[in-house]
Amino acid sequence: EPEVTQTPSHQVTQMGQEVILRCVPISNHLYFYWYRQILGQKVEFLVSFYNNEISEKSEIFDDQFSVERPDGSNFTLKIRSTKLEDSAMYFCASSEPRGQYFGPGTRLTVL
Amino acid sequence: QKEVEQNSGPLSVPEGAIASLNCTYSDRGSQSFFWYRQYSGKSPELIMFIYSNGDKEDGRFTAQLNKASQYVSLLIRDSQPSDSATYLCAVTTGFQKLVFGTGTRLLVSP
Repeated sequence: EPEVTQTPSHQVTQMGQEVILRCVPISNHLYFYWYRQILGQKVEFLVSFYNNEISEKSEIFDDQFSVERPDGSNFTLKIRSTKLEDSAMYFCASSEPRGQYFGPGTRLTVL
Repeated sequence: QKEVEQNSGPLSVPEGAIASLNCTYSDRGSQSFFWYRQYSGKSPELIMFIYSNGDKEDGRFTAQLNKASQYVSLLIRDSQPSDSATYLCAVTTGFQKLVFGTGTRLLVSP
């Protein structure tokens, strides 16, 4: 069964460094998303992406964040200058009309 | 602020019982409703979706939607210890972002 994949599974970085989180959505899906979940808190929407552009973004998704689909398969989330409060699980999702399917996540730890 | 509310639990049920999980939402424009299961340290896994008022059954799971009351529920019949997880209710107003509740932790005891 096709699934969303994400790399790396765990990323440790120093505050102020740039990180790129990578995702391969399910191949025939057209909508892609990033969510994050801070430990013990709810899953929060960051951004949705369709037809090679951002279709919606949350207040969390400020100028430090960007997304890109550099080729036909990958979908990336870049955080330009990480802060301590960016430490969280980051989930990529892709969707069909019946729902969004989540990848396994990348645990980002900012020191 | 569009909210999705869930009782955090834990909801404890014995093996074989019916578990009933509830969710309310504030945005009357919500169109689609989803239940996800999340095991500790794992990603959300889609269990059910429902768009129309009424019941929708899939195996041991039944989702119920009442748009007038802004209420969604999930029933799990013949609960198993492997069903022990956090159940997340999520809603969307279109083909866009999911708004999640905080989840209800379910514990099924053998």
